[in-house]
Amino acid sequence: EVQLVESGGGLIQPGGSLRLSCVASGFTFTSYAMSWVRQAPGKGLEWVSTISGGGGGSYYADALKGRFTISRDNSKNTLYLQMNSLRAEDTAIYYCALPLENSGSYYVFDSWGQGTQATVSS
Amino acid sequence: DIQMTQSPSTLSASVGDRVTITCRASQSISSYLAWYQQKPGKAPKLLIYKASTLEGAVPSRFSGSGSGTEFTLTISSLQPDDFATYYCQQYNSYSPTFGQGTKVEIK
Repeated sequence: EVQLVESGGGLIQPGGSLRLSCVASGFTFTSYAMSWVRQAPGKGLEWVSTISGGGGGSYYADALKGRFTISRDNSKNTLYLQMNSLRAEDTAIYYCALPLENSGSYYVFDSWGQGTQATVSS
Repeated sequence: DIQMTQSPSTLSASVGDRVTITCRASQSISSYLAWYQQKPGKAPKLLIYKASTLEGAVPSRFSGSGSGTEFTLTISSLQPDDFATYYCQQYNSYSPTFGQGTKVEIK
């Protein structure tokens, strides 16, 4: 059974940094791209970033480029999101997501974690 | 970025009703469209991908159609478990985008 467990969220002041983690189990982690998707309070879903299975390719939402960095440690089955220069508008639940096998795309999100809350406030 | 626009934003319906949600893309996305269901406090659940392919154990009362720029999600007979918010998402580009959501409420 696929399991994705996020952690690392919390309350952080504007301008601060946070590193989110997502530990994966139940599938061959290195074979799959992984993504982060966020949801601001009471708002819709927003794709944040995706990294290829081997870690050699990474993609970001234009508005977040330069502040957020996605990475992965395949020896630990763990996905990361380093978030710097945080702003109030980055307040959201951050989900890690696994694409559907055989969908032909990195971006059909079949399995999701429970999410981790990041709150940026002074 | 490709903009996705859903209508309506809120829909009030009764159990047994046929419900249709529309999603429009700002440019053609072929059939690279997915639909998700989200309930309060829960992660989204994939319902449909490639515009009309039902995922796994999704009930057959859900169906999707469309291509290019206009798509629909139809629930043929609304069940109590279907009251939720639904999102469309395009994945035609390297920058996937979601619609703003449609909340299906009990009438």
